[in-house]
Amino acid sequence: DAKTTQPTSMDCAEGRAANLPCNHSTISGNEYVYWYRQIHSQGPQYIIHGLKNNETNEMASLIITEDRKSSTLILPHATLRDTAVYYCIVRPIPYGGSQGNLIFGKGTKLSVKP
Amino acid sequence: NAGVTQTPKFRVLKTGQSMTLLCAQDMNHEYMYWYRQDPGMGLRLIHYSVGEGTTAKGEVPDGYNVSRLKKQNFLLGLESAAPSQTSVYFCASSHGTGRNSPLHFGNGTRLTVT
Repeated sequence: DAKTTQPTSMDCAEGRAANLPCNHSTISGNEYVYWYRQIHSQGPQYIIHGLKNNETNEMASLIITEDRKSSTLILPHATLRDTAVYYCIVRPIPYGGSQGNLIFGKGTKLSVKP
Repeated sequence: NAGVTQTPKFRVLKTGQSMTLLCAQDMNHEYMYWYRQDPGMGLRLIHYSVGEGTTAKGEVPDGYNVSRLKKQNFLLGLESAAPSQTSVYFCASSHGTGRNSPLHFGNGTRLTVT
């Protein structure tokens, strides 16, 4: 079973910030939070990951709560091309062998509207 | 640099037929994975490999076999296809066990078994 809980769907106005929440209350100390997205008919695309500090890259920002039980992915200026299913995943580092399984849940379908 | 390439993109099989899905990556990644994606189910791990010559079972391995004879290739075989194997199949690869080892996905193979 997925170790994360996400809302099934969200809407966002074009040009506004999209804030996608994720609950991972059973996360372990050695597990990172990863975010991927999947645009229709394409393979999943890596967005960002973090352990306990906030992270930012050219695509998004990741805010992780101090207790690490939840996080928020922020797309600062959503565009129509950001319409996709967003997956929040927890993953141990290092991984390998039986720890290599990466469980994708059902994700959040983000619809960016004009 | 093509990343992860999957062939074929589409295939229709009759029940009982066999086929092999090919995944190739040109990033010199150690780890490779096969997932299947069904409506409302997210992505489920079928098999994975932590290096050339090694394979291991994932979450839903029954009815599938894999081989990793060369580092850059990961093959997924269906010996006797069943309608329950109608799905979209995604291959992925990653560098290794370090913290900066996100998965890179191909664009999928859409398989229909009639």
